[in-house]
Amino acid sequence: QQQVKQSPQSLIVQKGGISIINCAYENTAFDYFPWYQQFPGKGPALLIAIRPDVSEKKEGRFTISFNKSAKQFSLHIMDSQPGDSATYFCAAKEVGAGNMLTFGGGTRLMVKP
Amino acid sequence: GAGVSQSPRYKVTKRGQDVTLRCDPISSHATLYWYQQALGQGPEFLTYFNYEAQPDKSGLPSDRFSAERPEGSISTLTIQRTEQRDSAMYRCASSLAEHTGELFFGEGSRLTVL
Repeated sequence: QQQVKQSPQSLIVQKGGISIINCAYENTAFDYFPWYQQFPGKGPALLIAIRPDVSEKKEGRFTISFNKSAKQFSLHIMDSQPGDSATYFCAAKEVGAGNMLTFGGGTRLMVKP
Repeated sequence: GAGVSQSPRYKVTKRGQDVTLRCDPISSHATLYWYQQALGQGPEFLTYFNYEAQPDKSGLPSDRFSAERPEGSISTLTIQRTEQRDSAMYRCASSLAEHTGELFFGEGSRLTVL
């Protein structure tokens, strides 16, 4: 079963707009929530991550918002650029699970010039 | 090495054949992971190693799948008697230590079983 549900599957945004990708989870043992960015032909690369003791984390144009009570977290890309066009995966890790990540299904983002 | 290296990048095989995929992690990294990624899906955990120990192989789909990391560096993933449903991208990742959080992924090995 899918432990981390990600939406939308695809997203088209105009240059300069805000891209928003959402993820929801059920497992309350998750304690680390990273987002990975994947360009065609490449492996996923860590973009930004958050732990559940904070509600928001910002790095440049990328922000994670985390709602522990709702068991949801989202990625916001401000001032989206064509170079941001990629597939984005949310993920989650359980306490004590080494670094075993459970990934969402991915969102293919296209930023139009 | 500079990054995680996987080989072969592409493998086409006939149903019933055995295949072995190789992963060379970042040289300073203790922990190595294998993930399976179907087209249009997120990676799914198969197994991981901490040095040469294999603490978790719960994600291996059947006993046809096995992995090794005998000297705590290079790892191989072997699929015996391949089936069409094994067709996927197989991704290797490494991390500095078991609980550091960031995984560094290789470019993957795409397996096609005819």
